[in-house]
Amino acid sequence: EVQLVESGGGLVQPGGSLRLSCAASGFTFSNYWMHWVRQAPGKGLVWVSRIHSDGSSTSYADSVKGRFTISRDNAKNTLYLHMNSLRAEDTAVYYCAGPLGVNALNIWGQGTMVTVSS
Amino acid sequence: QSALTQPASVSGSPGQSITISCTGTSSDVGSYNLVSWHQQHPGRAPKLMIYEVTKRPSGVSSRFSGSKSGNTASLTISGLQAEDGADYYCSSYATSTSWVFGGGTELTVL
Repeated sequence: EVQLVESGGGLVQPGGSLRLSCAASGFTFSNYWMHWVRQAPGKGLVWVSRIHSDGSSTSYADSVKGRFTISRDNAKNTLYLHMNSLRAEDTAVYYCAGPLGVNALNIWGQGTMVTVSS
Repeated sequence: QSALTQPASVSGSPGQSITISCTGTSSDVGSYNLVSWHQQHPGRAPKLMIYEVTKRPSGVSSRFSGSKSGNTASLTISGLQAEDGADYYCSSYATSTSWVFGGGTELTVL
């Protein structure tokens, strides 16, 4: 079964850091671009970042550029999102997602909640 | 990186058809046939319903269809059913980044 499972969310103070993980199973993780998408409480989906299948290329939404870093470990079938200088507006459910065999995000994890508050 | 524009809400009665629009620009919707639509029920992860403007993933009902004209894409749901009530998000590949999403449309089945 194709599956993505996020972890690492929690409560963090403004200015703090957090690392999210996304464990992949059921498919050849190293073959696919992977993405992070977030959703603030009661709000819509917002694309955050993506990484090439071999980690050689990354891109970010302007709102997180310079603060967030996406990475992956293909040996561990795991995607990461390193988040620094967190702000209240970063509070959201963070989903990892991937385009498996189609030009669209067709595989999603269940999400992990990040709350930035003092 | 402006979000695509969707109506905040639409509604319809069981058996009717509804259409949700998604307006972008020449840098996203207008330039690529890479528009997709996701359905999201409360507390659940998004589910892909349409990709590459008109294609349906395996297992998605044929009642769901997509189209595009210029900078505007559309999702049509025919024969509305109670379980179709959810939030719907369009997305498009964008020149400047990767994927850009719409603000979402809440579908109410009356």
